[in-house]
Formats: sequence, C-alpha cells, structure tokens
Amino acid sequence: GGIITQTPKFLIGQEGQKLTLKCQQNFNHDTMYWYRQDSGKGLRLIYYSITENDLQKGDLSEGYDASREKKSSFSLTVTSAQKNEMAVFLCASSSGTGGYAEQFFGPGTRLTVL
Amino acid sequence: GDSVTQTEGQVALSEEDFLTIHCNYSASGYPALFWYVQYPGEGPQFLFRASRDKEKGSSRGFEATYDKGTTSFHLRKASVQESDSAVYYCALGGAGSFNKLTFGAGTRLAVCP
Repeated sequence: GGIITQTPKFLIGQEGQKLTLKCQQNFNHDTMYWYRQDSGKGLRLIYYSITENDLQKGDLSEGYDASREKKSSFSLTVTSAQKNEMAVFLCASSSGTGGYAEQFFGPGTRLTVL
Repeated sequence: GDSVTQTEGQVALSEEDFLTIHCNYSASGYPALFWYVQYPGEGPQFLFRASRDKEKGSSRGFEATYDKGTTSFHLRKASVQESDSAVYYCALGGAGSFNKLTFGAGTRLAVCP
C-alpha cells in the first residue's frame, strides 16, 4: 500500500497572492495529477506529469504553474489568487500510462481567498 | 471532446432502498469507464472499472455494466446503507491517455436510517 500526502490541508490567501500547494506519494507511481474540485462541477484536470521533470497541461491550466522535480513529489502554484475563490485541490497518482489504471487521491487542500 | 453526464445531482433514499445513479458518456472508441466514491473530508476512492462492452464491474455491493449501445454505465445497489452516503463520480479514460480521467459532475447520495 501507499499514501498521498497533501500540504497544507487548509490555505487562506489574499487576492493577487502567489500560493503553492505540495503533494507527496510513496506508491512509486510514474504519473501524478492535480485536479480542481468545485461544488457541482466534478473534478477538472489542471496539470499532470508522466515522469520526473515532465509537465502536461490539462483543461484548466491557465492561472497555474506546476513542478515535478522528483518522482515522488508534484507541486502546484496558483500564480495570482482570485478574490472570493474557494475550491478544493486534489492530487492523485497512478502507475503506467495505459489509460486503464486507477488513480489514488490525496485528501485535498482547501483554498479560500479573501 | 470526451464528456460524462450524471443525471442526478442529489439522491435521497432510506436504508434498504434500491439505488440507481445514471451515467452516460460521449467518447470515441472504447474508453474505460470508472466509478469513484468520495466521503466527506477525503479524496475520491476507486470503486471499480469496466473496459469493454457488456463487462460488469462491481465492488462493495455496487455494480455497473458497460453498455456501448446506449453509451451508459449506470451505478446500482440493491440495498443501500447509511454508510453509503457519499458523492459518487462516474469517469472515463482511454488507451494512450496517460490515465487521464474525465469526470462527471458527481451525485451526492444521502441515506437516512
């Protein structure tokens, strides 16, 4: 078994601030993902990475940067937080790239922008 | 592009009721279809998957059958319990997609004792 750890659990920022979210996995999985979860809208893919130092944009990448410096970690940066923004950011990982593997999710980082 | 539609945003049932959550998809070829479940304060958990027409996936009493003809993968359970209260997500992935998933909007299930 393994686990995905996300830090921080709660993040409060100010409008215009740059904010960084971190994710660690000990599954030794190749592929990692960042999703944004908004109420009533499901999960939307922001960035994914198929190996160390690789980055691929998802459907919602505008306004975000990502970094995969090690196989086990994947960071997401909100480049300029938007006022009144509230969302949960979920990190996930999976083995292989075949399209049929399950994803394992962390507990999420809940963002509030004042 | 690929898309997943879950008809019900919220479902309220009593214990031992029969559950159906409808999921329809739009995609080319033969995508893999998944159900995930999310409990409060946690990330989604994989429930089960199916990857070919007429294949049935199942876990923890839940089941769904891949139907390419109706492009559906409806979730069913014969007798729900209060502990099944959660948000359920239908998702699709496909060959060569690096395991990227397209999720539906989710269905919140509330089961009353």
